[in-house]
Amino acid sequence: GESVGLHLPTLSVQEGDNSIINCAYSNSASDYFIWYKQESGKGPQFIIDIRSNMDKRQGQRVTVLLNKTVKHLSLQIAATQPGDSAVYFCAESASGYSTLTFGKGTMLLVSP
Amino acid sequence: KAGVTQTPRYLIKTRGQQVTLSCSPISGHRSVSWYQQTPGQGLQFLFEYFSETQRNKGNFPGRFSGRQFSNSRSEMNVSTLELGDSALYLCASSRTSGNTGELFFGEGSRLTVL
Repeated sequence: GESVGLHLPTLSVQEGDNSIINCAYSNSASDYFIWYKQESGKGPQFIIDIRSNMDKRQGQRVTVLLNKTVKHLSLQIAATQPGDSAVYFCAESASGYSTLTFGKGTMLLVSP
Repeated sequence: KAGVTQTPRYLIKTRGQQVTLSCSPISGHRSVSWYQQTPGQGLQFLFEYFSETQRNKGNFPGRFSGRQFSNSRSEMNVSTLELGDSALYLCASSRTSGNTGELFFGEGSRLTVL
């Protein structure tokens, strides 16, 4: 499949481990944050989102943490599986705007 | 329920030519956004259309343009192609404009400019 990015930060984990992917955002006015997963040759797929009035949100096997003080977002994946191998992007937007500003992405590699 | 559909999936053009890419949003979605993805610059916002009106535009030259039809389908056009326009062009749809809901992405149109 096509490469979605060269020289991306890479996180390598073993199957069953917990993974933590970090993201720093830049706009203090951003109030909506999303994590996307992109597999080779496919478009980004929504994982989980969080609004700025929350600092934690949980989904199925995933948790997003938001620290507005230091403008930091993280995605935690529990019991990582080989199917989780992909590039993960954080994205931010400010109220009233559909425009998403994406981070550079992190490649997650899960070994069986 | 069909997802966001983009055509063509792959195309090759030469410098100076122009290209038109098409996007059919999810049924009921009225907002369509376009993004360019390259290894060097990552995902960058091009423009957003809602109810046939351009709502927002990213920092791209005027060679990049788009439109939306009454059925919410959208097209983007790049004229006078340059080598640097080689990229994956992604379309995303949502029910409304503004960051009130999830964006659903298509699989993209991969453009190669020779």
